[in-house]
Amino acid sequence: GAGVSQSPSNKVTEKGKDVELRCDPISGHTALYWYRQRLGQGLEFLIYFQGNSAPDKSGLPSDRFSAERTGESVSTLTIQRTQQEDSAVYLCASSLGGAGTEAFFGQGTRLTVV
Amino acid sequence: SQQGEEDPQALSIQEGENATMNCSYKTSINNLQWYRQNSGRGLVHLILIRSNEREKHSGRLRVTLDTSKKSSSLLITASRAADTASYFCATDGSGGSYIPTFGRGTSLIVHP
Repeated sequence: GAGVSQSPSNKVTEKGKDVELRCDPISGHTALYWYRQRLGQGLEFLIYFQGNSAPDKSGLPSDRFSAERTGESVSTLTIQRTQQEDSAVYLCASSLGGAGTEAFFGQGTRLTVV
Repeated sequence: SQQGEEDPQALSIQEGENATMNCSYKTSINNLQWYRQNSGRGLVHLILIRSNEREKHSGRLRVTLDTSKKSSSLLITASRAADTASYFCATDGSGGSYIPTFGRGTSLIVHP
């Protein structure tokens, strides 16, 4: 596809359930980022993948959060035992990597934990 | 933690007026970028300014960077109702990081 694709667009889940969010980056983009945005707030960095390097997981808020990326393609963000505080829009972005490269964002997944 | 902080948090103007948003950051940077977000979804890149640049233009957008004050401004001239959105600055290069770090954004409303 032409842009970054995220699925699902919306997800409602019950507290305590696990969820998986998917991101398809732009082909050829070696860098991939996950961010979380709570209502009315800024973007909170979660995790960064760059090529085959070890991911930068410094933004993950707890061990309930994990992410994987297959090579330079699809990434999944998994949240285990969801809590109401996890409700937010989860945004994925990809770029060519390196300083000053433009990040292209998907439309996000709006997660609601009830 | 937030690197960039935009102000004001909210701005309401009439169509045709200019809108100015500011961004301050804490540590040294290589680049600063401005993004726009409609309706709380995906962000769209507007403009990038490098640390050795002081001003940049793109259409109705003008960005300035003052590294001595660790601040940047985004000016939108002759605003339109369609400019209504949230605007974020993002910095990278702090500590060798290539991860764009975003502020909380300025919510701009342009009244027709």
